[in-house]
Amino acid sequence: TQLLEQSPQFLSIQEGENLTVYCNSSSVFSSLQWYRQEPGEGPVLLVTVVTGGEVKKLKRLTFQFGDARKDSSLHITAAQTGDTGLYLCAGAFGNFGNEKLTFGTGTRLTIIP
Amino acid sequence: DAGVIQSPRHEVTEMGQEVTLRCKPISGHNSLFWYRQTMMRGLELLIYFNNNVPIDDSGMPEDRFSAKMPNASFSTLKIQPSEPRDSAVYFCASSLGRGSTDTQYFGPGTRLTVL
Repeated sequence: TQLLEQSPQFLSIQEGENLTVYCNSSSVFSSLQWYRQEPGEGPVLLVTVVTGGEVKKLKRLTFQFGDARKDSSLHITAAQTGDTGLYLCAGAFGNFGNEKLTFGTGTRLTIIP
Repeated sequence: DAGVIQSPRHEVTEMGQEVTLRCKPISGHNSLFWYRQTMMRGLELLIYFNNNVPIDDSGMPEDRFSAKMPNASFSTLKIQPSEPRDSAVYFCASSLGRGSTDTQYFGPGTRLTVL
């Protein structure tokens, strides 16, 4: 069973600060996705990274896939209250075209105004 | 587009009762996924379908759980008999294809409480 551990589990910071959350595994994934989930809703895809070492930016969010495709990080610059939510990483494994997603344990982020 | 539709949004039932959760995927999507989310275990894939055919049900906890997809626009997840440990939020998601890079669109979930 592929396991994805996210850290920290909980993070509470002031608006305007920067933060980084991590997603680690001992398994190699063909791709990795980051989702944000708000209370009472389903997860919403933020980004997919495929290539080892890949960096993608989405406004104030920067996502990086580890060189060995076993880990990833999400960095948020100048956090805003709208960034509050549960951040989930999900790694894909299996045969091409038939991959399954394994979700991480999640980081619950709270931005304090 | 209305997105993935799930019903009911909340279900409270007593142990031993049958529970049926329903999902309408996004029109035109070929893959449908059922997930379960709990505080202890996070988000787990239960089963997924491609073109209405079950592809992988290895995540289904036990025989009390069954899922069907009679047509491209409807799927059900049934628990019979239900147990308190089945209490969780159940999500349905759909995607255009079955690859890992295909975006999965999640429904709002059904919060199930088994007393």
